[in-house]
Amino acid sequence: DGGITQSPKYLFRKEGQNVTLSCEQNLNHDAMYWYRQDPGQGLRLIYYSQIVNDFQKGDIAEGYSVSREKKESFPLTVTSAQKNPTAFYLCASSPRRDANEQFFGPGTRLTVL
Amino acid sequence: GDSVTQMEGPVTLSEEAFLTINCTYTATGYPSLFWYVQYPGEGLQLLLKATKADDKGSNKGFEATYRKETTSFHLEKGSVQVSDSAVYFCALSVGNRDDKIIFGKGTRLHILP
Repeated sequence: DGGITQSPKYLFRKEGQNVTLSCEQNLNHDAMYWYRQDPGQGLRLIYYSQIVNDFQKGDIAEGYSVSREKKESFPLTVTSAQKNPTAFYLCASSPRRDANEQFFGPGTRLTVL
Repeated sequence: GDSVTQMEGPVTLSEEAFLTINCTYTATGYPSLFWYVQYPGEGLQLLLKATKADDKGSNKGFEATYRKETTSFHLEKGSVQVSDSAVYFCALSVGNRDDKIIFGKGTRLHILP
């Protein structure tokens, strides 16, 4: 089955710890994206990558970091510098650089205790 | 800048009622327009899309028509079901610029049996 997988579905961390969220796709898509979703605020773009070894900051990149060493993988690290990291994180991918349509993973709910 | 405005929720309807969720947009180019749906605890799924003026997107009984003159893309369904309860996001993409999709804040829909 082709698709996007995110793991884990639920993640708990102590305040001050870095944590890495996994995103893998086997759709052979060029572009990948990370969003944060908070109640009542819709989706906010954190980082995106159009090709391997290249990525750009989105609207709320502070406190986050990413890498794109492989086409199928786009992990997101939530660092201790992120002041309010508890949220639902969504990864997406797109088959073309023009982002005409995005395909989403099931999401990871991160709770920082 | 580009933006999407959709009606605030929650919207509560009885089963078999007619549904309209309003969406208007602002864009300097010629955007593609989308409706995504998010079921509880899941990622987003593309529901329908339209890529040029007067196009009608349709799927699962839902419809939306790209109205350039009113910059709108309202979502409609003639007879809703309990299984339609979800959050609905209107979105746009001006694909030849910055490869991003702009999402509205989402509208939560509750269907009562």
